Amino acid sequence: EIVLTQSPGTLSLSPGERATLSCRASQSVSINYLAWYQQKPGQAPRLLIYGASNRATGIPDRFSGSGSGTDFSLTISRLEPEDFAVYYCQQYGTSLRTFGQGTKVEIK
Amino acid sequence: EVQLLESGGGLVQPGGSLRLSCAASGFSFTYAMTWVRQAPGKGLEWVAAIGGSGGSTYYADSVKGRFTISRDNSKNTLYLQMNSLSAEDTAVYYCARDPGVVPVHYFDYWGQGTLVTVSS
Repeated sequence: EIVLTQSPGTLSLSPGERATLSCRASQSVSINYLAWYQQKPGQAPRLLIYGASNRATGIPDRFSGSGSGTDFSLTISRLEPEDFAVYYCQQYGTSLRTFGQGTKVEIK
Repeated sequence: EVQLLESGGGLVQPGGSLRLSCAASGFSFTYAMTWVRQAPGKGLEWVAAIGGSGGSTYYADSVKGRFTISRDNSKNTLYLQMNSLSAEDTAVYYCARDPGVVPVHYFDYWGQGTLVTVSS
């Protein structure tokens, strides 16, 4: 099982600032099969990024993903008020999919 | 428009059983489907998955032998039969769609979730 570790646990930033979230895998993620999700309180997760760097349909271009192997990141170039939420990474490629524990982006 | 609507959650006693349903609409119900759960205040946990034809199923170790995932493609409905429930199974259960027929992908659409509470 691939274990995903996200850091930091909480990121305190102001609107307009840049956010960089990290996701580290315990072993190499095949073919960059890594996704990112956003979850707001009381809502289901929403797919943001798949294949490490591909934005899902309707996702603004201020969201970008990068990385390969065991180290991946999600960057939000300029935080909008609606971006304050919890973000999860997820690896796939086999039937045993796993998630990171999440990073909360909160208003400073 | 793709829609996934879970139902069947509720309060159940330890050792009890519950069956969750997920009604799908807005797409051809031939995609692989998955159940993901989230305990109160915790992160996301993959629970079980099923291939598009229903012929292949996969389970997390935490539920193997207790939960059964199934689907009825004629009714566009996904199910999760949960037996021998314990407090550790208390969570919001989401159904989610795999963008393929084999359950090895990310999840492109999610339902709103149904809450299962295991308590005496």
